[in-house]
Formats: sequence, structure tokens, C-alpha cells
Amino acid sequence: DVKVTQSSRYLVKRTGEKVFLECVQDMDHENMFWYRQDPGLGLRLIYFSYDVKMKEKGDIPEGYSVSREKKERFSLILESASTNQTSMYLCASSATGYEQYFGPGTRLTVT
Amino acid sequence: EDQVTQSPEALRLQEGESSSLNCSYTVSGLRGLFWYRQDPGKGPEFLFTLYSAGEEKEKERLKATLTKKESFLHITAPKPEDSATYLCAATTDSWGKLQFGAGTQVVVTP
Repeated sequence: DVKVTQSSRYLVKRTGEKVFLECVQDMDHENMFWYRQDPGLGLRLIYFSYDVKMKEKGDIPEGYSVSREKKERFSLILESASTNQTSMYLCASSATGYEQYFGPGTRLTVT
Repeated sequence: EDQVTQSPEALRLQEGESSSLNCSYTVSGLRGLFWYRQDPGKGPEFLFTLYSAGEEKEKERLKATLTKKESFLHITAPKPEDSATYLCAATTDSWGKLQFGAGTQVVVTP
């Protein structure tokens, strides 16, 4: 079974803090994705990566950056957290052209 | 503009009462249509991939179908454990970037 793990289930940070969300997959997938999910807005793509050190912006990249130094690990970075970044963050991975498998999510609250 | 729209937003069913969820899409060059199930507080769980009009996939009480404009998820004789939010998503590129619909929340009562 594909396993995607995320570093925290719940996280509370203060406005202005730098926040790191980590995601690890164990299936040697080429592609990894970061989404945020908000009520009424559904899942929206923040960034994705199709290879180590390669990244592409998704639909809502503002205020975020990413890092992929190893194939199995994809990090989402909030450079200076703001209250409008309070959300559920979901990581996913896939082999190219195939279905995505999601992690359990991180519920981030920025106060 | 590419768009994926799901209806209804919410559906309340009695156990055993079959129904269908709709996912309509207006995208250029569909390469795959995906269905996911999401339980509260968890990440989406993959159910089906459909690639071309006329294709059908089944898993237990769920059956997904695809036409040129929409996809349906049929739930036959649902049980309370089928209660969840069902998401559909479309991809138009080789990387598999997904555009999600807002989801249909299904509640099945005994």
C-alpha cells in the first residue's frame, strides 16, 4: 500500500513565524503535490514537484515556497505565516500520469 | 476556464436507498477523471480513475461512469459506513495536476 505521511496532524503558530510542513512518501513516486482545503473552496493546488529539485507553481502559490531535496520528501514553507493561511494542508504523491495518494493532512492554525 | 462542478452539495439517504452523484466538467483535453472519498479530518482516499467516455468502474456498492461532459457515482443500497464526502477531480496534463470539485457530502442513516 502507498503510504504518505505528514509531519504533524495539528499545528498552532503565531503570525509572522516561519512554518515548515513535511511530507514523505514511500512508493518512489516522481510527482508530489501540496494542496490546501477550505470549506466551500475545495482543494486548491499550491505547488507541485515532478522531480528532485524541480517545482512548479499551482493555483495559489503566493505566500508559500517548497523544497524537494530528496525524491521521497516534499516540504511546504510558509515564510511569514498569516491568519489567512489557517487551513487544512494536504500532501499527495503519484507516479506520472496516475492517481494521487494523499496523506492524512495537517490542520494549521495561525493566531 | 476549466471547471469541475459537483451536485448536489449534500445528500441524505436512508440505508438501502440508491442514488447518484453528479460531476460535470468543462475542461479542454481531459486525460483522466478521478473519484475520491474523504472522511472528516482525513485525507482523500482514491476510489476510481476513468479515462474515456463510456468507461465504467465498480467497487463494492459504488459504480463510476463517464460521458463526454460528466461523470456519475452511483451508490447502490448504501450503508451507514458509506457516509463521507465524495470528491471528483479532472486532469488535463501529463503531470496529473488535479482540478477538484467542491464535493458532495453523503449521509446514510440506518
